[in-house]
Amino acid sequence: KAGVTQTPRYLIKTRGQQVTLSCSPISGHRSVSWYQQTPGQGLQFLFEYFSETQRNKGNFPGRFSGRQFSNSRSEMNVSTLELGDSALYLCASTNEVSYEQYFGPGTRLTVT
Amino acid sequence: DAKTTQPPSMDCAEGRAANLPCNHSTISGNEYVYWYRQIHSQGPQYIIHGLKNNETNEMASLIITEDRKSSTLILPHATLRDTAVYYCIVRVVNTDKLIFGTGTRLQVFP
Repeated sequence: KAGVTQTPRYLIKTRGQQVTLSCSPISGHRSVSWYQQTPGQGLQFLFEYFSETQRNKGNFPGRFSGRQFSNSRSEMNVSTLELGDSALYLCASTNEVSYEQYFGPGTRLTVT
Repeated sequence: DAKTTQPPSMDCAEGRAANLPCNHSTISGNEYVYWYRQIHSQGPQYIIHGLKNNETNEMASLIITEDRKSSTLILPHATLRDTAVYYCIVRVVNTDKLIFGTGTRLQVFP
């Protein structure tokens, strides 16, 4: 069974630009969560989607948004990028029966 | 804020059991204890989870105290590839939100 996939794996953007990251969950998983990881703040929860609805949201500014499609694939968007948005962005999908949650390899975003 | 407390680092000799402790004294009755590990900024890898009973799988064992205020992850025969940061997390049922703490950096040495 294929794992969680994230595209692109690496991305370089400049301040003020926007970026869209994509996540494909494990087949059959309907829940997708996003996390940001930085050396200073560690792993922080961004938001969670289940069946195309945002179920939970972390403490991030409105520049961070996401959505989920009917096939459970999810995207997150960051607008007006700042240097501090440089991070590893991780996506995870959840088996709603076993409660096992699996992470993808992440997208490393660098903002210059 | 993280609801768990872990030692920042631990060492373990290869082939020996690694016992990683975690305190979660404010855990609620419907919160699960999860363990993940992360190697070299890869995505965190799921290890095991439990509610109140001890659990075992092919990777590890999870021992949860009767009052559920602490737990121990046991890697029965540590290898060099087990060197990683190990995170103990509590998760509320019906939400997939995980609140990560700073974890324990486990160093397995030959």
